[in-house]
Amino acid sequence: KAGVTQTPRYLIKTRGQQVTLSCSPISGHRSVSWYQQTPGQGLQFLFEYFSETQRNKGNFPGRFSGRQFSNSRSEMNVSTLELGDSALYLCASSLRAQGFGAAQETQYFGPGTRLLVL
Amino acid sequence: QKEVEQDPGPLSVPEGAIVSLNCTYSNSAFQYFMWYRQYSRKGPELLMYTYSSGNKEDGRFTAQVDKSSKYISLFIRDSQPSDSATYLCAMRDPFAGDYKLSFGAGTTVTVRA
Repeated sequence: KAGVTQTPRYLIKTRGQQVTLSCSPISGHRSVSWYQQTPGQGLQFLFEYFSETQRNKGNFPGRFSGRQFSNSRSEMNVSTLELGDSALYLCASSLRAQGFGAAQETQYFGPGTRLLVL
Repeated sequence: QKEVEQDPGPLSVPEGAIVSLNCTYSNSAFQYFMWYRQYSRKGPELLMYTYSSGNKEDGRFTAQVDKSSKYISLFIRDSQPSDSATYLCAMRDPFAGDYKLSFGAGTTVTVRA
């Protein structure tokens, strides 16, 4: 079974531009989460989507947005890019959404999209 | 103060040594604890997963959780050069409405042949 795929793998943008990143989850997985990874802050949760609905959002400004399509593929968009947005953006999929009080759903991570903002 | 603290290292050990990694956390509601391994230019992959306190062993890997001290550990026995990677701890409160994982910053490990 193919793993989580993310496109593009590398991206260079300039300040003020916007960017769209794509994530295709493992076949059959319906939950997709996005994370930002930087050397200083580590892995930080951006948002989770399940059945085309955003279930939760991390502590990021409104410039960060996402969506999920009916085939579970997900995109995230960052508008008005800032230098501090340079990071590795990771997508993770799981079979089911994380549930209240429920056991931890195993998340499978993609290789990430490395974004450099100049 | 971060919710999860992890020494970023780097940690360099000779092949065959025991690697000891740890994280401390402040949220006593965390009950699910995970260790991920991340190779360079790859996404993290789940290594170990434990619920509440106690030990769990899987081959050369042992995970320990001490909830009273808010401290988790990962031990790698008989370390191999292929174990060279960044190790991330992660944890979750299953009764928090945000469902999110909180990660440590990661510890970079190099096993020297």
